[in-house]
Parts: sequence; structure tokens; C-alpha cells
Amino acid sequence: DQQVKQNSPSLSVQEGRISILNCDYTNSMFDYFLWYKKYPAEGPTFLISISSIKDKNEDGRFTVFLNKSAKHLSLHIVPSQPGDSAVYFCAASGSRYGQNFVFGPGTRLSVLP
Amino acid sequence: GAGVSQSPSNKVTEKGKDVELRCDPISGHTALYWYRQSLGQGLEFLIYFQGNSAPDKSGLPSDRFSAERTGGSVSTLTIQRTQQEDSAVYLCASSQSSADTQYFGPGTRLTVL
Repeated sequence: DQQVKQNSPSLSVQEGRISILNCDYTNSMFDYFLWYKKYPAEGPTFLISISSIKDKNEDGRFTVFLNKSAKHLSLHIVPSQPGDSAVYFCAASGSRYGQNFVFGPGTRLSVLP
Repeated sequence: GAGVSQSPSNKVTEKGKDVELRCDPISGHTALYWYRQSLGQGLEFLIYFQGNSAPDKSGLPSDRFSAERTGGSVSTLTIQRTQQEDSAVYLCASSQSSADTQYFGPGTRLTVL
């Protein structure tokens, strides 16, 4: 059973609009979460993280929201740009110091010009 | 400086053969991770090295899988008697410590015929 779920395998958004990528988890012990972005033929690159002591973390066009009671987090990209087109992975761990991150299956975002 | 590198980028092998995958982490990074991504799946943690400590092998799927990290730098993931279900992209990541952002290599695509 997947502990980290990304129920939308793909998402298409118009350039300039907001992209919202969702992630749900089942393990209540998770309290550190990350988003990675992956282009074809490249390894994932770290995007943004959030720990359970916060419900929002913002970095430029990227904001991650965490709802611990719902075991849900989301990544907002605004405004979306064509270069944001990639696969986005959500990952969770029991702590920032945990090495055993559990990754979701990814959501492929396409930003249309 | 150079990022994480992996070799080979692609490997095609016959069922039953052994394969070795290599990872060169970023210089000075003490933590090294191996993951694999099967088609349509998220990243699956395999093994973690931290400095001179005993590695965390909890993610290795079977005893056909093993990994070494020589001199605290280069790591080799070995898969013995490969099976078709071993076909996946194998990703290596390194970080300055277990608390820091992981930087991923481009991966090795393994195809077992």
C-alpha cells in the first residue's frame, strides 16, 4: 500500500495560471515533506520542503501548504511557466534527519504556452 | 564543482547476469543514497550510507542486491542474477549530511531482457 500518494498522474495548465499539485500520505509519523522536480533523462532536483511545525512555506513562485489533520500537502506554482513542465515528486519522512524518504509516484505537469 | 555522476547511463543485460552500477557523489558529501524508479512508480529507497557508519540496507528488495561505498566516496550497487522485475532507473543521491538536501545523479536505466 502506497504511503505517499499523488492521485493525479498528469496535469495541464495554461502559462501564467496557477498550478496546484496534490499529495496525500497515510503515515501519521511523517513530519517532514519535500517536493522534487524531474526533467526527462535527469535526476530529481530539490524544490522546496516543509516541516510539521509550519503549514506554509514559500520560495519565489513556489509555495507548499501542509494540512496535517488531513494528511495532505500541496505545491502551488504561480505564475506557471513552460519551463516548469516536468514530473513533480512528493516525498515524506519521519524527520528531516531521516534517510528513508518515501516518494510518491509523481505528477507530470505540462504548462502550455 | 561537478554534481553526482552515475555510470553507465544505460545498461541492457540478460536475465541471470550480474550488473554493477556506479555512483560518484559530490565531493565532501558524507551521505549517499540509492533509489530505484520502476515504470509508473515513485522513487523506492534502497540503501543509505552515512560516513563510516554501517549502511542502512532496509530498502534492499532481496539478497541479490548489495552495495558498497569505498573510501567514503564512490559507491557501487551490485545486482546478482538479474530478473526482469529489476528493470528500472537506478538513482543515486548524495548530501552533505543526512539532514541536508539530496542531490541526485541522472540515473542508470537498467533493462533486463
